[in-house]
Amino acid sequence: KAGVTQTPRYLIKTRGQQVTLSCSPISGHRSVSWYQQTPGQGLQFLFEYFSETQRNKGNFPGRFSGRQFSNSRSEMNVSTLELGDSALYLCASSSGTSGGKETQYFGPGTRLLVL
Amino acid sequence: GEDVEQSLFLSVREGDSSVINCTYTDSSSTYLYWYKQEPGAGLQLLTYIFSNMDMKQDQRLTVLLNKKDKHLSLRIADTQTGDSAIYFCAETLQTGANNLFFGTGTRLTVIP
Repeated sequence: KAGVTQTPRYLIKTRGQQVTLSCSPISGHRSVSWYQQTPGQGLQFLFEYFSETQRNKGNFPGRFSGRQFSNSRSEMNVSTLELGDSALYLCASSSGTSGGKETQYFGPGTRLLVL
Repeated sequence: GEDVEQSLFLSVREGDSSVINCTYTDSSSTYLYWYKQEPGAGLQLLTYIFSNMDMKQDQRLTVLLNKKDKHLSLRIADTQTGDSAIYFCAETLQTGANNLFFGTGTRLTVIP
């Protein structure tokens, strides 16, 4: 089975721009979660999508949004980029059908640099 | 709330055992996980333990959970240079939720 894939792997943007990141989960998985990893804040949960609906949300401003398509692929969008948004953005997939008891498998991440 | 802590660094000699520790504050944790992150890579799931278990062994890995003290440890037997990485413990608090709360990560360095 192919693993979780994320595109692009690297991205450079300037302040004020917006960015869209993509995540394709493992085949058959319906849950996609997004995390932000920075040296200062560590790994933080952004949101989770299941069956095209946002199921859980972390404590991030509304500039961070996401969506999920019928094939379970997910995108996250960050508008009005700030320098502090520079981070590694990881997505994780799981079956989503075991009430949170399933394990999450992570993609390689997208490294975003905001200048 | 959720607060997961780990020591930042650990160095061991190749062939020795490594023990990475983690403490958490929320007693409603359901599952506790160990992930490994190598430089420039995503997170690799190593193992997990349900909160009603005390111990889980998987080849060279042994997970111990002391729920009373909210202490989780990962023991790696016969540590190899390929085990050098950052190790994260993580917890989920709610059944039906796929949001993981991660510790700060422990950088394991294996000295040949």
